[in-house]
Amino acid sequence: EAGVAQSPRYKIIEKRQSVAFWCNPISGHATLYWYQQILGQGPKLLIQFQNNGVVDDSQLPKDRFSAERLKGVDSTLKIQPAKLEDSAVYLCASSLVRLSEAFFGQGTRLTVV
Amino acid sequence: SQQGEEDPQALSIQEGENATMNCSYKTSINNLQWYRQNSGRGLVHLILIRSNEREKHSGRLRVTLDTSKKSSSLLITASRAADTASYFCATDRSPLMDTGRRALTFGSGTRLQVQP
Repeated sequence: EAGVAQSPRYKIIEKRQSVAFWCNPISGHATLYWYQQILGQGPKLLIQFQNNGVVDDSQLPKDRFSAERLKGVDSTLKIQPAKLEDSAVYLCASSLVRLSEAFFGQGTRLTVV
Repeated sequence: SQQGEEDPQALSIQEGENATMNCSYKTSINNLQWYRQNSGRGLVHLILIRSNEREKHSGRLRVTLDTSKKSSSLLITASRAADTASYFCATDRSPLMDTGRRALTFGSGTRLQVQP
């Protein structure tokens, strides 16, 4: 079975620029998560989708971050404008059943300079 | 905010020894999961224990859950150098006490180093 696909793997941008990350979950997985992981810390949940509805986005900085999940499958996470403190690895995960075992992609490492 | 807090933050042991990591959480949960992260394979699910279970085994892993103390422990027996990684607990936290909207939330992790 194919895993969770994320792109790009690496991205370097200047502050105040915008950036978008893409995630393709495992086929049939209804739940999709986006996490931000700063070096040395645990993954911080940004947003959780159930199909194409938002379950929790309480920690998503909505003034600069946005996310959508079209047709309950692929998802994009956007940052506009980026700040230096957004430098982190952005992880996408999916699970078949809500809150069951989550499968993670390899992540996108974002560096804001 | 992080739901779980792992203890210790870092642990260094010799190959063959057992490693124990603890996780404490704050709100009610339906289940608790443990994940491993190393540079080669990213985040990988290890084991899930439900709130009505007290102990679960998977190979060299043993997980316990004490809902009265809101804590869990992960025991790795006969550790190997390949077990070197960061270990995270994750719970289905209810944001803003809304039990209808549970989200998978991770702790800060324990960094395990197994010396060969």
